[in-house]
Amino acid sequence: DAKTTQPPSMDCAEGRAANLPCNHSTISGNEYVYWYRQIHSQGPQYIIHGLKNNETNEMASLIITEDRKSSTLILPHATLRDTAVYYCIVRVRDNYGQNFVFGPGTRLSVLP
Amino acid sequence: DSGVTQTPKHLITATGQRVTLRCSPRSGDLSVYWYQQSLDQGLQFLIQYYNGEERAKGNILERFSAQQFPDLHSELNLSSLELGDSALYFCASSEGLAGGGTDTQYFGPGTRLTVL
Repeated sequence: DAKTTQPPSMDCAEGRAANLPCNHSTISGNEYVYWYRQIHSQGPQYIIHGLKNNETNEMASLIITEDRKSSTLILPHATLRDTAVYYCIVRVRDNYGQNFVFGPGTRLSVLP
Repeated sequence: DSGVTQTPKHLITATGQRVTLRCSPRSGDLSVYWYQQSLDQGLQFLIQYYNGEERAKGNILERFSAQQFPDLHSELNLSSLELGDSALYFCASSEGLAGGGTDTQYFGPGTRLTVL
């Protein structure tokens, strides 16, 4: 699986958009980008994933650059409850599922 | 609520002992994964089962073993426990593309193991 690079920490003001970058310059053509977050010591929570098109769901938007070497997770209106560690993971999809390789992630602090 | 359940929530035991952690996947999910999260190692993949068969192994110690039962629940057995085994243990499940589902993993709330 390709490795990812994320800033160790970021701050965001409550109500503003949080833009979390992820670099995956060695991503291969069949690898997807996944985002999860972990609030305190809870189980990681799925946010969104994509291959090459931008994706949006009720939680966030995922913007993937045209060369696919980087992506940005956007939380449009961050709240205090969005304070968490955010993980960007790239991996292939497999018929029977494949494990994730988690890096250290980005610790997002949403400030009042 | 992800739909994945894990028991117990907390477990305190002594070195040298053996414990069993239990995971019930989401309804319809065939794959179960186990991860360990310790303070100094982050989230690490241990082992995966798909429909009762072992699919992949990660950094799982020989003292640890797992199985997935016909009803698809899974158990992680940890034996000869050491202080360093103290960690959060998470179970995740996914449908699997082979069955026409997605491979998004959904994580349970975890079991916090403390070895004294």
